[in-house]
Amino acid sequence: DVKVTQSSRYLVKRTGEKVFLECVQDMDHENMFWYRQDPGLGLRLIYFSYDVKMKEKGDIPEGYSVSREKKERFSLILESASTNQTSMYLCASTSPGLNTEAFFGQGTRLTVV
Amino acid sequence: AQSVTQPDIHITVSEGASLELRCNYSYGATPYLFWYVQSPGQGLQLLLKYFSGDTLVQGIKGFEAEFKRSQSSFNLRKPSVHWSDAAEYFCAVAAGTDKLIFGTGTRLQVFP
Repeated sequence: DVKVTQSSRYLVKRTGEKVFLECVQDMDHENMFWYRQDPGLGLRLIYFSYDVKMKEKGDIPEGYSVSREKKERFSLILESASTNQTSMYLCASTSPGLNTEAFFGQGTRLTVV
Repeated sequence: AQSVTQPDIHITVSEGASLELRCNYSYGATPYLFWYVQSPGQGLQLLLKYFSGDTLVQGIKGFEAEFKRSQSSFNLRKPSVHWSDAAEYFCAVAAGTDKLIFGTGTRLQVFP
């Protein structure tokens, strides 16, 4: 059974903290993605990576950074968490190509207080 | 730039009724189109996809979708809805890169 695993289902952090969201996939996929999901806004792409140490900005990269040191792991970093980063964060992975299925983790609900 | 519009934020249907969820895309060439479903507290699961060939595609759980180039649409349908279909549904397009661009989603509520 293929899996994308996000390290936490729920997180509560304080404003100004550095926050790490971890995602691991076991399908040997080249592509990995971080999305943010908010009511009425759907899924918005934060960053994606198409290879180890390679990354590209998505539509809303401000306030975030990413790290991909190993193929199976893609980390999202909030350098200084703010309350407007309270959201659901979804990680996904795909193999290369436009017609391939994306596999999603179950999401991390982050609350910044 | 490519984009996806789902005009219906929330739809309510009775169990057993037919369903159609609307999706319009914006892209110059032939797009790769997807429908995903998100059950409460879960990640997204692929229902079906279209990238070429027959414009009517079948998916899992009894869903189908029809690609209409002239209308830039890829609407999702199901002839008879079950209570377990209550979820949020997302249309997505992949075009030009390996990125998936999602619509804002349609929340489906099913009444017994």
